[in-house]
Amino acid sequence: GQSLEQPSEVTAVEGAIVQINCTYQTSGFYGLSWYQQHDGGAPTFLSYNGLDGLEETGRFSSFLSRSDSYGYLLLQELQMKDSASYFCAVRAPYNQGGKLIFGQGTELSVKP
Amino acid sequence: DTGVSQDPRHKITKRGQNVTFRCDPISEHNRLYWYRQTLGQGPEFLTYFQNEAQLEKSRLLSDRFSAERPKGSFSTLEIQRTEQGDSAMYLCASSPDRGDQPQHFGDGTRLSIL
Repeated sequence: GQSLEQPSEVTAVEGAIVQINCTYQTSGFYGLSWYQQHDGGAPTFLSYNGLDGLEETGRFSSFLSRSDSYGYLLLQELQMKDSASYFCAVRAPYNQGGKLIFGQGTELSVKP
Repeated sequence: DTGVSQDPRHKITKRGQNVTFRCDPISEHNRLYWYRQTLGQGPEFLTYFQNEAQLEKSRLLSDRFSAERPKGSFSTLEIQRTEQGDSAMYLCASSPDRGDQPQHFGDGTRLSIL
């Protein structure tokens, strides 16, 4: 089977740094993606790790360790607008369709 | 880049009725995916198309569900004889035919079964 685990909710204050962890068990792996979703909105792509290491995109960074089947999303200088659900998703191998298998999501609440 | 467009945004129907949703992917994106999302859960894969060919269907896609992408551009998802359990957000995503490119999602169609 395939499964991903991430915390259900995280709370942090404005300006702080927060890390959302994700562990996965999958039969096929082509990378770990992170998506942000505000209430009622579309999942928005944040970051992708195909290889081990850190990827940085502005205030957001994502890390992957394939040997540990583990990744995280790091959000810095938190802003109120960062309050949303964050999903990690394993990407199936591209020659197998490249579908995304999502975790259940982490609801991030940013407090003033 | 106008993004992935889905229509309608909301659909309310009575149990037993048929419904059809439409997805217009980002132009020139060869791959098109359908997902379903229920409250508090992550999206779940339903099916995907490479151009006009439907190459994979999830076991979640019962016989009441059918999807098409007749010309390799827009796609439709039809649910026949809707049931209460079909209430969900139906999301469409598209991506280029390259392994390192992300999937871009539409705003979804929220289906409510009365």
